[in-house]
Amino acid sequence: QQPVQSPQAVILREGEDAVINCSSSKALYSVHWYRQKHGEAPVFLMILLKGGEQKGHDKISASFNEKKQQSSLYLTASQLSYSGTYFCGTASAGGTSYGKLTFGQGTILTVHP
Amino acid sequence: NAGVTQTPKFRILKIGQSMTLQCTQDMNHNYMYWYRQDPGMGLKLIYYSVGAGITDKGEVPNGYNVSRSTTEDFPLRLELAAPSQTSVYFCASSPRAGVYSNQPQHFGDGTRLSIL
Repeated sequence: QQPVQSPQAVILREGEDAVINCSSSKALYSVHWYRQKHGEAPVFLMILLKGGEQKGHDKISASFNEKKQQSSLYLTASQLSYSGTYFCGTASAGGTSYGKLTFGQGTILTVHP
Repeated sequence: NAGVTQTPKFRILKIGQSMTLQCTQDMNHNYMYWYRQDPGMGLKLIYYSVGAGITDKGEVPNGYNVSRSTTEDFPLRLELAAPSQTSVYFCASSPRAGVYSNQPQHFGDGTRLSIL
């Protein structure tokens, strides 16, 4: 089943913060986050593995709560370059996923000057 | 290092025609995937492969076929094109991850396909 992302869209001014959430009805082993700019391929941001770790990547970080089957992506002090559509991809625990991911519907992030 | 290369970048087909979308990766990745992305939507897995000679269906395999004769190549075939197959197709690859998804997927630039 497809994970659910919220919000569907968010508009920010440069320097503002945003949080994007990803929820699944299945037990998860990992959550992947990608960003896609219009007309381009998705670009990998980070992977969160089972264990509840939090990762950081410049001013973008993420957390994974495996008990709630949820992950959140945090964007702080947003820049114009952060604009794009953010997707979470999930891999279910307890099965042979072989790298297969199920992607959410995406969250459109727009950063204005 | 080219990464994942898809050809063609754009194509217009007539209903009922057939075509093959090509995908090649030079990273010696075992796992390869085909996705379709409809306008404003997320990525749907069509087929995937865990190595040469091994393929399996994803969420939306109907109307498509794949083969994997080498580690590098993973072509996607549309046999009888239908308007519902108008989409952007992405190929991706990742290193071996065993039964868990702890490796990132690297995407090609996509093929934009219109069926009229």
